[in-house]
Amino acid sequence: KNQVEQSPQSLIILEGKNCTLQCNYTVSPFSNLRWYKQDTGRGPVSLTIMTFSENTKSNGRYTATLDADTKQSSLHITASQLSDSASYICVGPPGFQKLVFGTGTRLLVSP
Amino acid sequence: EAGVVQSPRYKIIEKKQPVAFWCNPISGHNTLYWYLQNLGQGPELLIRYENEEAVDDSQLPKDRFSAERLKGVDSTLKIQPAELGDSAVYLCASSLDYPGQGSTGELFFGEGSRLTVL
Repeated sequence: KNQVEQSPQSLIILEGKNCTLQCNYTVSPFSNLRWYKQDTGRGPVSLTIMTFSENTKSNGRYTATLDADTKQSSLHITASQLSDSASYICVGPPGFQKLVFGTGTRLLVSP
Repeated sequence: EAGVVQSPRYKIIEKKQPVAFWCNPISGHNTLYWYLQNLGQGPELLIRYENEEAVDDSQLPKDRFSAERLKGVDSTLKIQPAELGDSAVYLCASSLDYPGQGSTGELFFGEGSRLTVL
C-alpha cells in the first residue's frame, strides 16, 4: 500500500531557530514528491517539488532534500519566522493510484 | 489571475439538512478535485474530474454525497442529508493535468468550505 508518513506530528520552536520536518514514503513507482504549506484556515500551497534526480532544492529559507535509497524527504526551515507557523504536508505521486497525502506536521513558531 | 474560488467559506446546518458547495477552478485546468480534510489530518480525496468525467469517485459516499462538473468548468458538491460526522473542511483543487508518471502537475487549492453539522 502506498503511504506517506510525516514526523513529528507537531513542533514548537522559537522564532529565529531552525527546524527539520521529515517525510517517509513507500509510494511506488516514484516520480516526484511535493511539499505543501497550509496556513490555518487556508488551502495548501506548493512550496517545492522533488523529482527522482534531485537531492536538494532551496526556496528561500526552505530547503528540501530527497534520498531515493531510503525513501525519505526532509524540509528544513532556516531562521524561522512567525509566518512559518502552519501545517506542512508531504504529497507523494500517485504512481498508478491516488495522490498520497501525509497527515502533515503542525509547526508553531513562538516569539 | 484568480485562483480556485470556493463558496461558501463557512456553513452551519442541522443534521439531516442538505448542503451544497461550489467551486470555480483556475481557467484552463482540466483536472478538478474535491477533498475532505478533518482537523489535524491531511486531505482525503472524495472525487476527481478530468474535464466533465468523474474518473475517481471511489471514496465518495454515494448514499449521501453527489457531485457534478457541468461543462467541465465549475463544480458542485452536495450532501443530503448531512450527518454529524460530515463536519469538516471541504477543499476544492485544480491542476492543468493529473500528477503522475511524466507529469509534475501542481495542485492549486481553494480556501475551503468549513462545514459544521449540529
